[in-house]
Amino acid sequence: AQSVTQLDSHVSVSEGTPVLLRCNYSSSYSPSLFWYVQHPNKGLQLLLKYTSAATLVKGINGFEAEFKKSETSFHLTKPSAHMSDAAEYFCVVTSFSGGYNKLIFGAGTRLAVHP
Amino acid sequence: DTGVSQNPRHKITKRGQNVTFRCDPISEHNRLYWYRQTLGQGPEFLTYFQNEAQLEKSRLLSDRFSAERPKGSFSTLEIQRTEQGDSAMYLCASSSGQGYMGRGYTFGSGTRLTVV
Repeated sequence: AQSVTQLDSHVSVSEGTPVLLRCNYSSSYSPSLFWYVQHPNKGLQLLLKYTSAATLVKGINGFEAEFKKSETSFHLTKPSAHMSDAAEYFCVVTSFSGGYNKLIFGAGTRLAVHP
Repeated sequence: DTGVSQNPRHKITKRGQNVTFRCDPISEHNRLYWYRQTLGQGPEFLTYFQNEAQLEKSRLLSDRFSAERPKGSFSTLEIQRTEQGDSAMYLCASSSGQGYMGRGYTFGSGTRLTVV
């Protein structure tokens, strides 16, 4: 069965400093992995996705993630945090069966950005 | 196209009452999903439609829950005899069926249900 574990429930950084949100995955086959962001009162927005192409994936708003099979990790990073990055972030793995994809979400990491 | 639309945005109901939520997907998307997100957790899969056919239901979807997608367009999710444990954000998403992962999911903003 597919699953993801987000290692930190809360992360707090200062504006302009790097961001690291950690995610480990478990999958019985080569996974597709995603990071979604959820701002208050807004829908889930796709940040980036890994689908077995390049292991370093670049997303929107300066975020990127690296797929490391040996470590079963897919950590999200950003070189310099902005106040607008404060939100809930979800690491997601797909479960593919019956001809469609179901998304399996982690519990989320709340990112706080301080001035 | 304004994306995936969900109504109402918020619903407060008394325990034991029935509630119905509506989701209008992106018009060309033939796949529609419902997820539930409780406080402090990530969304959990509830059910999946391909066109008008409901192809999978999670064990989270008890007999009090029913979802429909008549004519393969909008979808409704009804909860009968609501319980306090049903309080959550109910998210709808749609996707096309072209290619692996289609073109990805598009999520609505959700309906927040509070059962008092």
